[in-house]
Amino acid sequence: GEEVAQTPKHLVRGEGQKAKLYCAPIKGHSYVFWYQQVLKNEFKFLISFQNENVFDETGMPKERFSAKCLPNSPCSLEIQATKLEDSAVYFCASSSLMTGWNTEAFFGQGTRLTVV
Amino acid sequence: QKEVEQNSGPLSVPEGAIASLNCTYSDRGSQSFFWYRQYSGKSPELIMSIYSNGDKEDGRFTAQLNKASQYVSLLIRDSQPSDSATYLCAVHINTDKLIFGTGTRLQVFP
Repeated sequence: GEEVAQTPKHLVRGEGQKAKLYCAPIKGHSYVFWYQQVLKNEFKFLISFQNENVFDETGMPKERFSAKCLPNSPCSLEIQATKLEDSAVYFCASSSLMTGWNTEAFFGQGTRLTVV
Repeated sequence: QKEVEQNSGPLSVPEGAIASLNCTYSDRGSQSFFWYRQYSGKSPELIMSIYSNGDKEDGRFTAQLNKASQYVSLLIRDSQPSDSATYLCAVHINTDKLIFGTGTRLQVFP
């Protein structure tokens, strides 16, 4: 597609429940990034993929967060046993290249996760 | 030290003034620098990119890069109320990560 598509737009989960977010990158883009934006606009890098391979996962909380990008499927970000502090907007972005030039990332509209 | 740092603001400027937004980064090998604008409740959109030292102008926006001092700035001339948003600095650091600052909230008042 011509834009990064994230679903759902809103997700409400009770504490301890699982949350799964989806992202379809722009067609032809090899790189996918996930960011978490909590209150006060802090933008936190979580994980990036090059095609279906994890490129960088240094931002991922190891215990409850996992992510995948499988061929011919939207990428996904899953949070097991959600906690209140997981409430945030999760943005997905995609990029065609990750070399010095042209690292421009295009963002989806985000998924707002509310844990109650 | 954070990899990319911005003052969270808010930065308040009157309509018609120049707004100056600053960003510093820690990785001296960084090559690509971006400014994104994010309106409340919306996703970030790219407004400027800069790769080499000096100034780059696009309409009312000027990005400035100083690699020796490790800072990048964004100037908005003739600020308008519609420029009120959060401005995110993003840096492609040497380890191939695209890192965002926490953003500076700009308020332009009539």
